[in-house]
Amino acid sequence: DTGVSQDPRHKITKRGQNVTFRCDPISEHNRLYWYRQTLGQGPEFLTYFQNEAQLEKSRLLSDRFSAERPKGSFSTLEIQRTEQGDSAMYLCASSPQGGRDQPQHFGDGTRLSIL
Amino acid sequence: KNEVEQSPQNLTAQEGEFITINCSYSVGISALHWLQQHPGGGIVSLFMLSSGKKKHGRLIATINIQEKHSSLHITASHPRDSAVYICAGVYNTDKLIFGTGTRLQVFP
Repeated sequence: DTGVSQDPRHKITKRGQNVTFRCDPISEHNRLYWYRQTLGQGPEFLTYFQNEAQLEKSRLLSDRFSAERPKGSFSTLEIQRTEQGDSAMYLCASSPQGGRDQPQHFGDGTRLSIL
Repeated sequence: KNEVEQSPQNLTAQEGEFITINCSYSVGISALHWLQQHPGGGIVSLFMLSSGKKKHGRLIATINIQEKHSSLHITASHPRDSAVYICAGVYNTDKLIFGTGTRLQVFP
C-alpha cells in the first residue's frame, strides 16, 4: 500500500494560465474524490469517480474545471484560465468502494498559488 | 449554514490534559470521519464510525446517532498531538461534508 499520491505538491502560476494536477489512488480503490481547501477552512467536495465514471460534481466546479479518470486508475483535475480565487489546496482521496464503512484515504494535496 | 459544525475552533492545552472536540451534524449523514491535518496539508483518517465508540491508543471517538453528535477525545495529550482535527460527515452519495476544523496546540 503506497498511499494516495498527488503531483505536483506545489504549483505557482500566473492568473489566466491553465494548470493540471494528477492523483494516483491506492491501486485497488475504485472510488476517487477531489476536494478543495482554502486557508483556514475545512475541505469542500468537488467531484468523485466510481472507476472511470464521474458520478457527482459540486456547484463549486465551474466550467473552467474538468476532472477525468480515463482508465479508472489515476485522475487529473484541470483548471483553465486560473483566477486568484482558485488559490487553494487541492486534495485527492480514494476508497475501496463507497459506503459508510469505507474510510477515505487522502493524499498530501497540491497547493496552488495564483500570482 | 454548514451541515457539520465543530467546536471549539481553537484549543490550547498543557501536556497531559484530557481534550475533547465536539462535532454536530445534520440529517442525512450516515457516518462520521475524524481526520487529523498537520501543517503542510496532509490529512490522516483517525476514525470512521456510524455508531458507538472507537478507541485507538490515546484517541477515543464516540457518536450519538439520536443527538447527531460526535466527540473526539485525546487522553494524556502531548505536543505531537498539535494539529487541526476535522470531522466530516458521510452523505448517502458517499461524499464528505467537512467541518471547519479545530486547531489544537499542546504545550509542554
